[in-house]
Amino acid sequence: QKEVEQDPGPLSVPEGAIVSLNCTYSNSAFQYFMWYRQYSRKGPELLMYTYSSGNKEDGRFTAQVDKSSKYISLFIRDSQPSDSATYLCAMIPPMVGSQGNLIFGKGTKLSVKP
Amino acid sequence: ETGVTQSPTHLIKTRGQQVTLRCSSQSGHNTVSWYQQALGQGPQFIFQYYREEENGRGNFPPRFSGLQFPNYSSELNVNALELDDSALYLCASTQFRTGTNYGYTFGSGTRLTVV
Repeated sequence: QKEVEQDPGPLSVPEGAIVSLNCTYSNSAFQYFMWYRQYSRKGPELLMYTYSSGNKEDGRFTAQVDKSSKYISLFIRDSQPSDSATYLCAMIPPMVGSQGNLIFGKGTKLSVKP
Repeated sequence: ETGVTQSPTHLIKTRGQQVTLRCSSQSGHNTVSWYQQALGQGPQFIFQYYREEENGRGNFPPRFSGLQFPNYSSELNVNALELDDSALYLCASTQFRTGTNYGYTFGSGTRLTVV
């Protein structure tokens, strides 16, 4: 079993839809959870990061962590064609000196149709 | 404020050759990490450099090596290239502080093709 599982999609939605992206993980010791957005031929860009369980909102984006289920989600409200990209979840293992070691999911490719 | 810049953007090498990829970290950042991203996969951690020393390494063989320079820029060297080394190589930088700091800025990557 991989440490972080993410459905690669592709996911296609109409403009204005609410998008739900999800990842599951196996290591209950993970504490820091991130979502990155990656446009084609670009590097990942940090969208959200959360610590521990709960919700965090930033504009149209909401990140949710459920540590009891080892499940994290990213919701995008009022989706726009410019949101079309690959969304990667990432986590950091709780080891000393591991701050650089982001463990990524495979990424979900999202397409928002006008 | 400049972001992370990587060079070259694309590279084609022959199996068995050696390659050096370069990264300039974002202004104010002192820590650099390197990742390999195969097509359709998430990035995989190769190693991290802080204060010119490697301070974390993923599951990559020793033919993957690196350097960090006093200006915090970095190089990734890969010897004896294999076909499976074909991937996007990403550099990420941050300002390392004790405790939490996960604001990694990624470059656009170097696309390496091994033939």
